[in-house]
Amino acid sequence: DIQMTQSPSTLSASVGDRITITCRASQNVGYWLAWYQQKPGKAPKLLISKTSSLESGVPSRFRGSGSGTEFTLTISSLQPDDFATYFCQQYNAFWTFGQGTKVEMK
Amino acid sequence: QITLTESGPTLVRPTQTLTLTCTVSGFSLSTSGVAVGWIRQPPGKALEWLALIYWDDDKRYSPSLKNRLTITKDTSKSQVVLTMTNMDPVDTATYYCAHNVRKYFQYWGQGSLVTVSS
Repeated sequence: DIQMTQSPSTLSASVGDRITITCRASQNVGYWLAWYQQKPGKAPKLLISKTSSLESGVPSRFRGSGSGTEFTLTISSLQPDDFATYFCQQYNAFWTFGQGTKVEMK
Repeated sequence: QITLTESGPTLVRPTQTLTLTCTVSGFSLSTSGVAVGWIRQPPGKALEWLALIYWDDDKRYSPSLKNRLTITKDTSKSQVVLTMTNMDPVDTATYYCAHNVRKYFQYWGQGSLVTVSS
């Protein structure tokens, strides 16, 4: 099984901050990495697929990068609507999610 | 517009079998390349993929749970059904179904909370 490890688990930030979340895979997953945003009581929402492809309607302040075993999600200027939990997911071999990163207000 | 809606019991007794139904609209379960998966999330915890079924009836199961899971589809009813045997309190979670075309989960249902308790 491929394990996905996100860091940090919690991130305290302010509106306007640039933040970065890291996701590491236990094996090479190529570019087959997606990012989801989840708000309390809601289903996850796909933000980015294939490491860096932004879903339609997702603001350009979200950026994904990386390859192989190390990936990052960057929000260039945090907005009030961005306070949520973020999950990475590999889909190279079956499907595995990271444990999540909660972005909270400082 | 693609939508998925989960339905099933909210409470299951330990050792019982859980049956969940995902009713889809906006796409056909027989369209080449289409798949529907099930993912669960215990309260306050991470997402865990469970099973997935393709348009051609090919199936994939989580290796850690495959002995307890069965996924089927009824194309005429636009439904995907997941059964999980021998339920335990640790299986308490919100169960989601999700649409999968390019290998990632693009559209999700709203989720169905299942509590396992005697």
